[in-house]
Amino acid sequence: RKEVEQDPGPFNVPEGATVAFNCTYSNSASQSFFWYRQDCRKEPKLLMSVYSSGNEDGRFTAQLNRASQYISLLIRDSKLSDSATYLCVVNSASKIIFGSGTRLSIRP
Amino acid sequence: GAGVSQSPSNKVTEKGKDVELRCDPISGHTALYWYRQSLGQGLEFLIYFQGNSAPDKSGLPSDRFSAERTGGSVSTLTIQRTQQEDSAVYLCASSDRGLYGYTFGSGTRLTVV
Repeated sequence: RKEVEQDPGPFNVPEGATVAFNCTYSNSASQSFFWYRQDCRKEPKLLMSVYSSGNEDGRFTAQLNRASQYISLLIRDSKLSDSATYLCVVNSASKIIFGSGTRLSIRP
Repeated sequence: GAGVSQSPSNKVTEKGKDVELRCDPISGHTALYWYRQSLGQGLEFLIYFQGNSAPDKSGLPSDRFSAERTGGSVSTLTIQRTQQEDSAVYLCASSDRGLYGYTFGSGTRLTVV
């Protein structure tokens, strides 16, 4: 079983839709969690950290469920510019593990 | 510096040659990571440094790959006797103890011909 698993997608949704991604992790001792965004042929960039209490940044909401060992990302009112690959990242014993990414494509 | 700097940005080398890739992390960041990403694929972990030591080298694909970090700052990734399957983008990231996420450099695109 992979340490971090994501649905690879692709997700193809219309502009304005709400889309949600989940990511599961296997190490229950994992300490910190992040969502990254990667545009084509670019390096990954931090989108947001994920806190136990859940956190929101504009149209983006991230949540952590330690009991079920998954993190989620919700994007509301999606924009064309949200098209990218979204990577979940888990820090386990200072080793950061990336999910393989979920491709999102927003259509007009 | 303001961000993570990697050099060269592009490298084309002949099969069998050695290459050296450089990463200059954000000043003060103690943790440094190397990943590689083949076209259309996810990130593959290579090695992690905390300071100058490498607690986790588990991702290095073969003994042709080595990395070092000096002065708790610059790191070099060396690939000896390059093979075509080594062609990929090599990404470096640094972090302040991993608490606030990781900042990536723009990568070195390695092509082995």
